[in-house]
Amino acid sequence: EDQVTQSPEALRLQEGESSSLNCSYTVSGLRGLFWYRQDPGKGPEFLFTLYSAGEEKEKERLKATLTKKESFLHITAPKPEDSATYLCAVRMIGSSNTGKLIFGQGTTLQVKP
Amino acid sequence: GAGVSQTPSNKVTEKGKYVELRCDPISGHTALYWYRQSLGQGPEFLIYFQGTGAADDSGLPNDRFFAVRPEGSVSTLKIQRTERGDSAVYLCASSRPGLKNNEQFFGPGTRLTVL
Repeated sequence: EDQVTQSPEALRLQEGESSSLNCSYTVSGLRGLFWYRQDPGKGPEFLFTLYSAGEEKEKERLKATLTKKESFLHITAPKPEDSATYLCAVRMIGSSNTGKLIFGQGTTLQVKP
Repeated sequence: GAGVSQTPSNKVTEKGKYVELRCDPISGHTALYWYRQSLGQGPEFLIYFQGTGAADDSGLPNDRFFAVRPEGSVSTLKIQRTERGDSAVYLCASSRPGLKNNEQFFGPGTRLTVL
């Protein structure tokens, strides 16, 4: 069964304390892996797309990496405004005609000043 | 420009009632998606439209759920005989196929509560 699992479910960091979020996936064929940020009461906001193992993308304090089985979202020196739920989603080969995404359950990050 | 908009933002209804949720995608986006998000979970795919037609409705949980997009822009998700288990945030997303990322842009969602 195609599945996306994120860990940890919740993470509390002090401002400036770097860490990583994990997204592991078991799908029949990966077309793309997506990271989204979701603030309370809002819809997910697109961050990155990764297509192949070894690929990396960066945006401000965030860096996403991809292997054949998992992706990491590295947060360097986080600030309180980075507090949010981070969602990982995959698009499978064979869903190219629909673009349907399968989401993990998310990691809720809280950064304390 | 304007993002994806959804109305209403909140909807409270009674068990057994009929509800309609509206999505207005980004102008020019031909692809439209509906997802459902329960508390503490990631969004779950419901249905995908390319233009006016439903290209993939494999995520609709049962025949009480139906969606239309008659003119290829605004879409309405319709739920008949609502049940308490239908309570969730219903998210709409749109995208423009052909972009490399084909990223989906989400609206703020409609929070549906079935009493």
